[in-house]
Amino acid sequence: SQQGEEDPQALSIQEGENATMNCSYKTSINNLQWYRQNSGRGLVHLILIRSNEREKHSGRLRVTLDTSKKSSSLLITASRAADTASYFCATDPFNAGGTSYGKLTFGQGTILTVHP
Amino acid sequence: GAGVSQSPSNKVTEKGKDVELRCDPISGHTALYWYRQSLGQGLEFLIYFQGNSAPDKSGLPSDRFSAERTGGSVSTLTIQRTQQEDSAVYLCASSPNRGLLTDTQYFGPGTRLTVL
Repeated sequence: SQQGEEDPQALSIQEGENATMNCSYKTSINNLQWYRQNSGRGLVHLILIRSNEREKHSGRLRVTLDTSKKSSSLLITASRAADTASYFCATDPFNAGGTSYGKLTFGQGTILTVHP
Repeated sequence: GAGVSQSPSNKVTEKGKDVELRCDPISGHTALYWYRQSLGQGLEFLIYFQGNSAPDKSGLPSDRFSAERTGGSVSTLTIQRTQQEDSAVYLCASSPNRGLLTDTQYFGPGTRLTVL
């Protein structure tokens, strides 16, 4: 089963509004990554946040991580029609030996539609 | 620089035939990953390479699936005796994995496999 659970499954907003997507997971992680996908093809990396970080920014993107609640959020501010895409969180979990090697586990994704 | 490339971009085959999917990672990236994205299962991990060795093949769905990596670079995913449930988009990713910390994974555009 997918470790990452995302909500909402779909989000429809107007240009200029902010979009917030949430991700929850179940096991200890080394890092959490957010990706964007257009038209069901290649994934574009947005942000990686490590387990010892609480917040990261990149342009109009803000990601938070709460390891005590095992949850993360992605905020897109001042959204644009071009932000329309599917957004996925992916966790890099620790294995039984306490290490990780990037075996990402993806959520089901949030479909974001930004109307002009 | 050049990103991860995959070929072919689309492959249509008949049930029972073998197929080979190719991935060219970003030059210098030591880690390479294969994932599969299908409607019913979302994004699933298949196999991980570090250099030419595959420490984790746990995601390969059956013994009809195999993968190799040569020269620490190009990887080939082979599916023998394809079945209709193998229809999916097969995504390859590479990562520098510097030091002990896993790093951002950069994805290719994927190969869309359709088994008739």
